[in-house]
Amino acid sequence: QSALTQPASVSGSPGQSITISCTGTSNDVGGYDYVSWYQQHPGKAPRLVISEVSNRPSGVPDRFSGSKSGNTASLTISGLQTEDEADYYCSSFTTSSALFVFGTGTKVTVL
Amino acid sequence: QVQLQESGSGLVKPSQTLSLTCAVSGGSISYGGYSWSWVRQPPGQGLEWIGYIYHTGSAYYNPTLQSRVTIYVDTSKDQFSLKLKSVTAADTAVYYCARVQLWAIDFWGQGTLVTVSS
Repeated sequence: QSALTQPASVSGSPGQSITISCTGTSNDVGGYDYVSWYQQHPGKAPRLVISEVSNRPSGVPDRFSGSKSGNTASLTISGLQTEDEADYYCSSFTTSSALFVFGTGTKVTVL
Repeated sequence: QVQLQESGSGLVKPSQTLSLTCAVSGGSISYGGYSWSWVRQPPGQGLEWIGYIYHTGSAYYNPTLQSRVTIYVDTSKDQFSLKLKSVTAADTAVYYCARVQLWAIDFWGQGTLVTVSS
């Protein structure tokens, strides 16, 4: 089972926009609209911030948005805030026998 | 609001079996629209999906763990459980139970650290 590929780290200044990529294959990200994104602060459980590529659950600020093009999904944080500093993981349904796969994770630093 | 709470042994000896239970409250585990999952995270590392189960008892496992893992559900108690046999130090991790809807984990337990050590 191969993990989805994310950049190890992304940084930005408060107020800026950043984008985190999540690259898979046609068997997962590219083939289905079941890509999710999770935010995880140190010592805490992950929190769902985007489901089904671009759906934002209730309570998630609208500065979080998701999209997909081909085999790559993206999470954009607009108007970066200090509390957005965290680790972010993508996940996807996959047609491999695993059925579910996470990304490698991205550490977001607010400068 | 659905809540999930893990319980079980925090220290397991090598070669023994790790056992954890997840109690679900605020909603019935029998509702067919969800699956119930276990995810783990080794210290300082990323998330790894272990497997998931439906209220019917149908379970699916990560192929890398399939030979050692069993997930089962008790709908009468609104709980589901994980057993991982023949553990090694590589199984040391924070274990999360979670609810899955449309391939997104919308609710997570707080996580429990399981250490494999003699």
